[in-house]
Amino acid sequence: DAGVTQSPTHLIKTRGQQVTLRCSPKSGHDTVSWYQQALGQGPQFIFQYYEEEERQRGNFPDRFSGHQFPNYSSELNVNALLLGDSALYLCASSLGTGDNEQFFGPGTRLTVL
Amino acid sequence: AQTVTQSQPEMSVQEAETVTLSCTYDTSESNYYLFWYKQPPSRQMILVIRQEAYKQQNATENRFSVNFQKAAKSFSLKISDSQLGDTAMYFCAFMNPSANSKLTFGKGITLSVRP
Repeated sequence: DAGVTQSPTHLIKTRGQQVTLRCSPKSGHDTVSWYQQALGQGPQFIFQYYEEEERQRGNFPDRFSGHQFPNYSSELNVNALLLGDSALYLCASSLGTGDNEQFFGPGTRLTVL
Repeated sequence: AQTVTQSQPEMSVQEAETVTLSCTYDTSESNYYLFWYKQPPSRQMILVIRQEAYKQQNATENRFSVNFQKAAKSFSLKISDSQLGDTAMYFCAFMNPSANSKLTFGKGITLSVRP
């Protein structure tokens, strides 16, 4: 049983560019949450998708957007990249939106130059 | 809004010894969950242990146990018989189940286990 997978593993972009990160949830999971983890910090919640809709959003600007597909996989898009967007982006999946355990992927390391 | 505070940035322990990692949190909610996650150099965030706020009994998972003090809003993790594989960053996290399972994390603590 494959766990949560994310692609790509690493990514280097320049300021002003746009990036798309991808996440496939654990088998049987229908909810995907995205987190941003700056170096040496704890993860910060970006948003959560359930039934192809954004259910909740953290304190991130509109440059951060996402999508969930009918197969429950998800994308995170960031426009007009800033140096401060350099971070590890983690995807977590769960079943439903209650207290079920969230399983994390290995993350995508984004570097903005 | 909930906040999670981990004030110790780093700790070190000898292999086979016991170590305690501290965490405090602030919330006005009565029903919530607390977690400790481990993040090794491989970056994969792994759940170590979970505590439901309505349960008075402290959670235990093999060598890992917590000391949950609800009134003091304290949630510490005790690792017994430390092993080299325990070397990692450890994050304390809070979740309000009525808030769509969003996790609020502390800054983390780097634990090094010395051989």
